Amino acid sequence: DGGITQSPKYLFRKEGQNVTLSCEQNLNHDAMYWYRQDPGQGLRLIYYSQIVNDFQKGDIAEGYSVSREKKESFPLTVTSAQKNPTAFYLCASSAKQGRFQPQHFGDGTRLSIL
Amino acid sequence: GQQLNQSPQSMFIQEGEDVSMNCTSSSIFNTWLWYKQDPGEGPVLLIALYKAGELTSNGRLTAQFGITRKDSFLNISASIPSDVGIYFCAGLTGANSKLTFGKGITLSVRP
Repeated sequence: DGGITQSPKYLFRKEGQNVTLSCEQNLNHDAMYWYRQDPGQGLRLIYYSQIVNDFQKGDIAEGYSVSREKKESFPLTVTSAQKNPTAFYLCASSAKQGRFQPQHFGDGTRLSIL
Repeated sequence: GQQLNQSPQSMFIQEGEDVSMNCTSSSIFNTWLWYKQDPGEGPVLLIALYKAGELTSNGRLTAQFGITRKDSFLNISASIPSDVGIYFCAGLTGANSKLTFGKGITLSVRP
């Protein structure tokens, strides 16, 4: 089945650790995105990539890093510089053809601090 | 920055009732999207609107792209228990493909 796979579903981080969240899509979408969701805050954009080997900061990029070495993969690293990392992280992708194409989301990774 | 306003934060309705949700902005958007999110899952696209004045239906759902391009509404008719969830509006401008999201409305349906 085509879709977006995020792993793991739940992740725990110790203070001072970096952790990497995985996002893989087999939809052949060019663009991929990472969002952070906090209760009552809606979705906030962390990073996005419109093409392989290129990515841009979103609204809350501090303390995060990404890479886009392959079209189907867009991993997010939450670094120790992110002081409040506990949140629900959502990955999305969209096609780049003609008019704007809606973003489709994975099922998220919930990150908690031990 | 751009903001989308959704209120109230929560809505409570009786099964079988219709419900309407608005999304407003001070900025113009070229595309409006409505998503639904179930607990612990990612948002699922319900309806996409691409043209001012456009009215689109998807089963019991109907959404409209406001004529001013600064608002949109979603209507759910004959609600059922599985309609429970968080409903987000999102807008796209012509400058890039970044979505702006509203904070969502949590819908509860009483049997």
